[in-house]
Amino acid sequence: EAGVAQSPRYKIIEKRQSVAFWCNPISGHATLYWYQQILGQGPKLLIQFQNNGVVDDSQLPKDRFSAERLKGVDSTLKIQPAKLEDSAVYLCASSFGHSNTEAFFGQGTRLTVV
Amino acid sequence: KQEVTQIPAALSVPEGENLVLNCSFTDSAIYNLQWFRQDPGKGLTSLLLIQSSQREQTSGRLNASLDKSSGRSTLYIAASQPGDSATYLCAVRTQGGKLIFGQGTELSVKP
Repeated sequence: EAGVAQSPRYKIIEKRQSVAFWCNPISGHATLYWYQQILGQGPKLLIQFQNNGVVDDSQLPKDRFSAERLKGVDSTLKIQPAKLEDSAVYLCASSFGHSNTEAFFGQGTRLTVV
Repeated sequence: KQEVTQIPAALSVPEGENLVLNCSFTDSAIYNLQWFRQDPGKGLTSLLLIQSSQREQTSGRLNASLDKSSGRSTLYIAASQPGDSATYLCAVRTQGGKLIFGQGTELSVKP
């Protein structure tokens, strides 16, 4: 069974530029999460999708971050414009359901904003 | 608001020692609790999933327990090895389906 796929693995951009990350969840998984993990901290939930609908985006900085999950399969997370403090690893995870099922994570995208 | 805390933040032990990592959460209304391992520069690998109705789960040298009423979970690692060195994260699945993480425990097992 293929795992959660993310791309790119690494990205370096200048502040005020835009960047996009892509995630393809495990086939059949309805729930998809995007997390931000700053060095030395635990992952922080940015947005949770159930199929193609947003369940929770309360911690997503909506003035600069956006995410979509068209057709309820793969998803993109965009930052525009980027700030220095956005430097982090962006993790995508998926699970079959939103309650009692196991969550699986991709390898993450390491973003450096200079 | 659900908060998850992991103690200690870092732990260094000699090879062969048994050890316990702790995880506590503030709201006992959870679906399940999941323990993950994270190697430097990598994503998260799921180790154990404990449903809210369960008390413990075992996989090889790992044993995780859950006491939902007191808001605590422990991850027991038997006969630690240098290859166990990594950051260990616990996460609770809330009633709304959110997966909330602790800060992690960075484990170093010295040969």
